[in-house]
Amino acid sequence: AQSVAQPEDQVNVAEGNPLTVKCTYSVSGNPYLFWYVQYPNRGLQFLLKYITGDNLVKGSYGFEAEFNKSQTSFHLKKPSALVSDSALYFCAVSRGTGGGNKLTFGTGTQLKVEL
Amino acid sequence: EPEVTQTPSHQVTQMGQEVILRCVPISNHLYFYWYRQILGQKVEFLVSFYNNEISEKSEIFDDQFSVERPDGSNFTLKIRSTKLEDSAMYFCASRLETQYFGPGTRLLVL
Repeated sequence: AQSVAQPEDQVNVAEGNPLTVKCTYSVSGNPYLFWYVQYPNRGLQFLLKYITGDNLVKGSYGFEAEFNKSQTSFHLKKPSALVSDSALYFCAVSRGTGGGNKLTFGTGTQLKVEL
Repeated sequence: EPEVTQTPSHQVTQMGQEVILRCVPISNHLYFYWYRQILGQKVEFLVSFYNNEISEKSEIFDDQFSVERPDGSNFTLKIRSTKLEDSAMYFCASRLETQYFGPGTRLLVL
């Protein structure tokens, strides 16, 4: 079985400050890890993914995430938050590109960036 | 930029009625998915579809649910006899390597 934990329901940060949204995972074999963002009444928008290679992956809108195998974590980061980054962020894991490759999502973290 | 599209955006139905949710995946994608998100809860996998057959399904995807790719462009989810607990946002996704999601259909069963 595969699972994702997002320990924080909400993260508050001031605009211009760095942000981190935490994610840990559990999966058999090598993980494929993803971050998606959901704006109100919208679908899930892909931000970035880790498949293999460099542990630091860069994605859309200045976001990046660091894969840490020993800690089974894949935290989302941004050096300088914007008010427009306020949204619901989901971490997801799959076992790879073979077969159905279903995504298992965490419960989501609401990011609130304030002026 | 190509997008996954879904229709309708909202659907209200009576308990026991059949509903069909429609999706148009990105044209060169080969794998197709349905997920659902009950209000306030996390996104849950329902079914994956490849080469005109189901490749994996969750325990949620019981005999009341079916999927079809009737014409090479549309991908549909049918719920045969809706229950109150089927009320949710239903997302379609498609992929080559990365899953891209549609905007969702909000289904309300009364």
